[in-house]
Amino acid sequence: DVKVTQSSRYLVKRTGEKVFLECVQDMDHENMFWYRQDPGLGLRLIYFSYDVKMKEKGDIPEGYSVSREKKERFSLILESASTNQTSMYLCASSPRRRNEQFFGPGTRLTVL
Amino acid sequence: SQQGEEDPQALSIQEGENATMNCSYKTSINNLQWYRQNSGRGLVHLILIRSNEREKHSGRLRVTLDTSKKSSSLLITASRAADTASYFCATDKVGAQKLVFGQGTRLTINP
Repeated sequence: DVKVTQSSRYLVKRTGEKVFLECVQDMDHENMFWYRQDPGLGLRLIYFSYDVKMKEKGDIPEGYSVSREKKERFSLILESASTNQTSMYLCASSPRRRNEQFFGPGTRLTVL
Repeated sequence: SQQGEEDPQALSIQEGENATMNCSYKTSINNLQWYRQNSGRGLVHLILIRSNEREKHSGRLRVTLDTSKKSSSLLITASRAADTASYFCATDKVGAQKLVFGQGTRLTINP
């Protein structure tokens, strides 16, 4: 069974902390994505990656960075967490020539 | 800007009835997809329809695509309580690999 896993389901951090959200997929997919989901705003793309060590900005990259050192792992980094980054964060992956995305269960991050 | 916009935002029906959700988009697309999200969970892919297709079926799901009107509909027949979820359409613009999601329709099936 194909799987995308995220390191935490729930996370509480303080303003100014550096936060790492980890995503791992076991499907050998080339493409990986990070979204945030907020009520009334739907899913918004933060960053995506087409291959190891490659990254592209999505629609709302400000305040975030990413790392993809291995094909199966895509990390989202909040350099200095702020309260407006409180959100549900969803990771997804897809094979190179297909758009169908497979999602992880999500991480609900609260920044106090 | 939002590429896909679902209508209605919320829908409540009785178990056994059919549920129809609509999605409109703005630019030319390669394909359109529908996803389901159970409360507080990740999204699950339901069905993909290509721009040269007009209708597609998968079990109790029927998707139509009208590229002239830039719209799609998702029909769930004989609804069940387990169909209660949010449903999102997602489109990929021609020339782009990323998807753009709408805000979703929240479907509630009442027993």
